[in-house]
Amino acid sequence: AQSVTQPDIHITVSEGASLELRCNYSYGATPYLFWYVQSPGQGLQLLLKYFSGDTLVQGIKGFEAEFKRSQSSFNLRKPSVHWSDAAEYFCAVGPTGTASKLTFGTGTRLQVTL
Amino acid sequence: DAGVTQSPTHLIKTRGQQVTLRCSPKSGHDTVSWYQQALGQGPQFIFQYYEEEERQRGNFPDRFSGHQFPNYSSELNVNALLLGDSALYLCASSPLDRSDYEQYFGPGTRLTVT
Repeated sequence: AQSVTQPDIHITVSEGASLELRCNYSYGATPYLFWYVQSPGQGLQLLLKYFSGDTLVQGIKGFEAEFKRSQSSFNLRKPSVHWSDAAEYFCAVGPTGTASKLTFGTGTRLQVTL
Repeated sequence: DAGVTQSPTHLIKTRGQQVTLRCSPKSGHDTVSWYQQALGQGPQFIFQYYEEEERQRGNFPDRFSGHQFPNYSSELNVNALLLGDSALYLCASSPLDRSDYEQYFGPGTRLTVT
């Protein structure tokens, strides 16, 4: 069965500092990988996705993520965090070849201090 | 172009009652998935509808049922509500273009069971 682990429940960074959110997945083959962001009381917005090809993917709002097959990881990074980045971040895995069931991690809450 | 829309925004029900939530997919999308997000958790897949049929189902009891209409809109029905059904219910749609495997999420319906 597929699963996603986000080991950090809560992270606090200073505005302007760099950010890395961790995501590890368990899946029988190469999965489709996603990072979503959720602001309080809102739905999910896609930040970026990995299907195949270049293992470093760029997303919206200056985010990027790197797929490392050997480590079963898909960590999200941003070089300089803005106060507006404070939100809940979810990593998700889905089966290849179809827009099917997504399995989400439990999320990482990002707090940004000024 | 309107994105995924859901109604109502908020809903309060009593234990034992039944509830119906509605979702309109993004234009050009024919597949609708439903997710339950309990407080402090990641979304959990309930089921997915395609061509008016349930194509895939997560680990949810039969009290959770759904329907998809010819215009691709969908309903989620929950019978015999339990306190534990209190959650944010998210609808996601996927496009006809099978090369795009992204799921686009709506803002959700907040269900409170008292």
